[in-house]
Amino acid sequence: AQKITQTQPGMFVQEKEAVTLDCTYDTSDQSYGLFWYKQPSSGEMIFLIYQGSYDEQNATEGRYSLNFQKARKSTNLVISASQLGDSAMYFCAMREARSNTGNQFYFGTGTSLTVIP
Amino acid sequence: EPEVTQTPSHQVTQMGQEVILRCVPISNHLYFYWYRQILGQKVEFLVSFYNNEISEKSEIFDDQFSVERPDGSNFTLKIRSTKLEDSAMYFCASSGLGQQEKQYFGPGTRLTVT
Repeated sequence: AQKITQTQPGMFVQEKEAVTLDCTYDTSDQSYGLFWYKQPSSGEMIFLIYQGSYDEQNATEGRYSLNFQKARKSTNLVISASQLGDSAMYFCAMREARSNTGNQFYFGTGTSLTVIP
Repeated sequence: EPEVTQTPSHQVTQMGQEVILRCVPISNHLYFYWYRQILGQKVEFLVSFYNNEISEKSEIFDDQFSVERPDGSNFTLKIRSTKLEDSAMYFCASSGLGQQEKQYFGPGTRLTVT
């Protein structure tokens, strides 16, 4: 089974609108971490936001927020007031602790977001 | 703002050759990582390094791979005998004490094995 599933290969959003990028994860661990990264066309990876499995509040960082639903194992990224510069690939990732190899990091296949002027 | 740097930006090598990819993490960071991304595919974790030793590694990180922090600033990934399937973008990342989860990525090295 995939550890991280991003079911939206491509998304479009009108400038200044909000958009939600979906991510579900699969783990049997109680302690894990969830991340979102942005990868513009230039190729670099930019950390956006983090949610720990024990965090009770949804994480927020500026225009980025997470809709963390632990029971459903989903951590959707909400980008408010989209800007043209938000056009990029967005990756959801998870840190999972393994007893024999320690922390492992898993990435989803990404969602390509295009912001339309 | 401090940043992670990687050299070279693009490396072309022949199958079977050894390559060393270099990274300079952010100076006060203590945790270092290597990831790879095959063209058009998802990012894959390779290894993490802390306190001068490997702390975690994935199944991809086999005996062909090694990492080293030869001095106080560089963090290197060596591939001993490259294979065609090693062609990918290799990202180095680092994070600081107390902010382990916030990993800063370098711009990547594109490795092409011919």
